[in-house]
Amino acid sequence: DAGVTQSPTHLIKTRGQHVTLRCSPISGHKSVSWYQQVLGQGPQFIFQYYEKEERGRGNFPDRFSARQFPNYSSELNVNALLLGDSALYLCASSHNPGRANTEAFFGQGTRLTVV
Amino acid sequence: AQRVTQPEKLLSVFKGAPVELKCNYSYSGSPELFWYVQYSRQRLQLLLRHISRESIKGFTADLNKGETSFHLKKPFAQEEDSAMYYCALRGNNAGNMLTFGGGTRLMVKP
Repeated sequence: DAGVTQSPTHLIKTRGQHVTLRCSPISGHKSVSWYQQVLGQGPQFIFQYYEKEERGRGNFPDRFSARQFPNYSSELNVNALLLGDSALYLCASSHNPGRANTEAFFGQGTRLTVV
Repeated sequence: AQRVTQPEKLLSVFKGAPVELKCNYSYSGSPELFWYVQYSRQRLQLLLRHISRESIKGFTADLNKGETSFHLKKPFAQEEDSAMYYCALRGNNAGNMLTFGGGTRLMVKP
């Protein structure tokens, strides 16, 4: 199993553009979460999806959106990019986030640079 | 609101010295606490969780509800322990999201 895979690994965008980041969870995992990690800080929660439904949303503007597909893969979309959106975007998958002791497995992340 | 604080950005010790990475949290209910580690050029991975009460790679962490702390300890640091360490909390809210601290970089010198 390749683990959680994210694409692309690196991306450079211009202010005002939009971006789509992709994540494939570990086989059998039905939950995907997205985190933003700004340089020098810990990851910050953006969204969680379980069984294709949004289960949680962090304190991010409406420019950020996501969805989960029937195969449990996920996309994170960011519109009207700002310089401050430059960060490492992490995807994590797990079996059932509602159960105690559920481990989240992280991907390598997508490094987004907005210029 | 839930919050995790790691007061030290950088902790530098010599090989064989004891290590304690501090983590304090704020949460009104009964949280789950975790330590994640990120070695150079590798992905973030779970080191240990308070529910399991286990020792991984010689590291232990005890949840102190009175002090709202979950400090990570190791009696004798090794060079291969050098990494970024993140303390994280998961509450029992609907999203079950992880709230991370800012991280502590541990450097173990030979």
